[in-house]
Amino acid sequence: ETGVTQTPRHLVMGMTNKKSLKCEQHLGHNAMYWYKQSAKKPLELMFVYSLEERVENNSVPSRFSPECPNSSHLFLHLHTLQPEDSALYLCASSQEGGNSPLHFGNGTRLTVT
Amino acid sequence: QKEVEQNSGPLSVPEGAIASLNCTYSDRGSQSFFWYRQYSGKSPELIMFIYSNGDKEDGRFTAQLNKASQYVSLLIRDSQPSDSATYLCAVIRVKGRKLIFGQGTELSVKP
Repeated sequence: ETGVTQTPRHLVMGMTNKKSLKCEQHLGHNAMYWYKQSAKKPLELMFVYSLEERVENNSVPSRFSPECPNSSHLFLHLHTLQPEDSALYLCASSQEGGNSPLHFGNGTRLTVT
Repeated sequence: QKEVEQNSGPLSVPEGAIASLNCTYSDRGSQSFFWYRQYSGKSPELIMFIYSNGDKEDGRFTAQLNKASQYVSLLIRDSQPSDSATYLCAVIRVKGRKLIFGQGTELSVKP
């Protein structure tokens, strides 16, 4: 098992669809993250779950909804997305409370048509 | 001002040369600094971290940190074509202790 696993690897969805991205970490970490990576832009932090408390980036639209049922699993629920939401969505985990780096999953390449 | 700033490049160096990648950050209280490498279509992977002023060496990679100048760099010695990737600088922001990334520098090593 790799440290952080994301599914699906690729997703194409219409603007009226509802889909979910899944992330699972096997590293025993206590914090999980969703990042968005668009072309030629820095990685954008969307959501953080730290010790099961959610921290949001206030600029993330409500059509993105995270869920963290436990410290090993993280979901990103998607609905009524826009074409500009097409990007690479990366999940990461870390051990909070120190200088721990992030460990990333392989990402989900999302295309909204 | 961006919290973490890098030249986007592309930076092109010949095989065997030293590649120098630079990063500045705005939060003077930041304590932890990371370099990630990202190949096209792949996720970022951690290659170096540095917490103290000075140099830290790991194989062909050297990270350099100057907190007074709010500057961190990555040197890659004996550059190889396989080093061609985007290099991301990341800094833990003091407020909220969250990791903030620069936009990345694209490095191309020519054979």
